[in-house]
Amino acid sequence: DTGVSQDPRHKITKRGQNVTFRCDPISEHNRLYWYRQTLGQGPEFLTYFQNEAQLEKSRLLSDRFSAERPKGSFSTLEIQRTEQGDSAMYLCASSAARGTEAFFGQGTRLTVV
Amino acid sequence: KQEVTQIPAALSVPEGENLVLNCSFTDSAIYNLQWFRQDPGKGLTSLLLIQSSQREQTSGRLNASLDKSSGRSTLYIAASQPGDSATYLCAPPDFGGTSYGKLTFGQGTILTVHP
Repeated sequence: DTGVSQDPRHKITKRGQNVTFRCDPISEHNRLYWYRQTLGQGPEFLTYFQNEAQLEKSRLLSDRFSAERPKGSFSTLEIQRTEQGDSAMYLCASSAARGTEAFFGQGTRLTVV
Repeated sequence: KQEVTQIPAALSVPEGENLVLNCSFTDSAIYNLQWFRQDPGKGLTSLLLIQSSQREQTSGRLNASLDKSSGRSTLYIAASQPGDSATYLCAPPDFGGTSYGKLTFGQGTILTVHP
């Protein structure tokens, strides 16, 4: 058990480019969450997967954002046509079952210039 | 909609002090509550998960209490050390309606422990 892994740790991109982040949850965890955190704020929920099904999406997840979890293992979060307001830390978390402890990855820090 | 508030927003103390961090939440129908620490530029590290049926949960120098009826949780840190310096976040999960346990966070308490 190596914990939740996120890649890359840092990403700098020009405005208008597309970016994709990856999250590998703890292997036996079927519940996976994405959050976004801006400086000085707590994380905000983006979307939730149970196995391969995306069951919940926040209003924060505009149509430029898309997430997948093929085969119910790793997940990807893609942002199209990035804007400066997308600059944030993107965090992934996983848990084994309803009401159990959530474990977070180290996050991907996105900077849009 | 669940809202979480943490007091104080920042705390600076000398090493060795016993500390109290407060968390309040507006929806008391919670399943459990989790406390995290976050070091600058890093992800969140889970500290304690306290179930709604529990009053207290302990891990080493940390003790968390939960009072659902009043919408409060408290994290006690005994004999603080410089290595405890971090941002501390509390988060109850949301299982109401069509929610699947997403965590709601406040802004956290920034703790600095001086040697």
